[in-house]
Order: sequence, then C-alpha cells, then structure tokens
Amino acid sequence: GAVVSQHPSWVICKSGTSVKIECRSLDFQATTMFWYRQFPKQSLMLMATSNEGSKATYEQGVEKDKFLINHASLTLSTLTVTSAHPEDSSFYICSARLGGGRNEQFFGPGTRLTVL
Amino acid sequence: GQQVMQIPQYQHVQEGEDFTTYCNSSTTLSNIQWYKQRPGGHPVFLIQLVKSGEVKKQKRLTFQFGEAKKNSSLHITATQTTDVGTYFCAGQGGSEKLVFGKGTKLTVNP
Repeated sequence: GAVVSQHPSWVICKSGTSVKIECRSLDFQATTMFWYRQFPKQSLMLMATSNEGSKATYEQGVEKDKFLINHASLTLSTLTVTSAHPEDSSFYICSARLGGGRNEQFFGPGTRLTVL
Repeated sequence: GQQVMQIPQYQHVQEGEDFTTYCNSSTTLSNIQWYKQRPGGHPVFLIQLVKSGEVKKQKRLTFQFGEAKKNSSLHITATQTTDVGTYFCAGQGGSEKLVFGKGTKLTVNP
C-alpha cells in the first residue's frame, strides 16, 4: 500500500514553455502532498506544501507564480513550471502523507525536467 | 528556521564493515524520520522515531533518537552491497513539513 505515482517520469522542453507534472496517490487519499526539488547529489528541498481544496503553502524563495500547484482532489496534485528556463532543470519529487496521525511521507518516483 | 545537519556526506566501506551516519537538528523535534534513496531512485521511508532516547532495530539497521530529541543516528552492522545508497534523516518540528539533512552517500566495496 501507500503508492505514489508521478507523471511524466522525464520531460525535455524548450525554454519559455510550461510543463505540468502530476502526482497521484494510488491506494490512499492524501489531504497533504509535498513538492520537492533535488539537484544532483544534493538533498531534497521542500518547495511547497499542497493541501486539498486550498492554496499551497510555498517555502521562502520559491516563486508561486512560476511554480503553480493545484490539489484538486484527494488523490491528485499538479505542479506546473511556467515559462521554464534552463535553471529550472532539476529532479522534482512529490510525496504524500498518509494522515490519520501518521507522519511518514511516501514519495513518487520523481520527474526529471530538462529545459533546453 | 529549522536546520538539520547530517554527517558524513560520504562514506565508503568494505563489505562487512559497519557504517554510521549522524543527524543534528538546530531545534527540538517532534519526530525524526529516516529515508533511503538508491542511485537513480526516490527516497523510501525506513523508520520514524518519536520518543526521547528511542532505539529501533530493523535487521542490521539500528536507529537512535537522542534524549533531547535533537539528534539521531543510523548504524548499519556488517554492510552488504545492497546497502548502497544515500541515507537521509528528516526532522519534523511543530509543523507538518519535513526538513531533510543533506544525506550520507554510502558506497560498499565487495
């Protein structure tokens, strides 16, 4: 149980285009999902906390207009990188929390974004 | 804000040797979690420690949470090649978010 999927697993796009990444909890409902960014050989940096039915909470330094997050249902959160630039190239990983008093997070397989 | 420091950054061992990674938080934690990320993969939850002084074991892995709930360690006895990966600690304070350490990358020489 507690499987999280992410789509796409990798994407290459041109500078200036927008890219949408989906995060789904497959066998449980997640009121809270998290979006992380991981640079090569580095740790996970929390970008934002996504709550179902409400606005996402962004970490300091993360542009909310650039990284649009939508959590429209209990099993789906999306991250849209708008007007992507090469410096946005990274590994984006989502996670979902089981809730119900359990704190561990279950991570999706990640999306490798390359902006040319 | 809350910071989590983790050392060492890298550790290379011979198969059969022990391995330990240490984690320190700048603030008292409500819980600390450990994750393992294999090369090319995503973080996988290993364990959560909640109580002061708690010790938990998973086969060859021993996890400890300090008395002050600010530090933690992961010890692997007699490493195997399957232990290769990056081990992250992640601390949770008063909010729902996790703050990850930089991770310790473990390589094992067969």
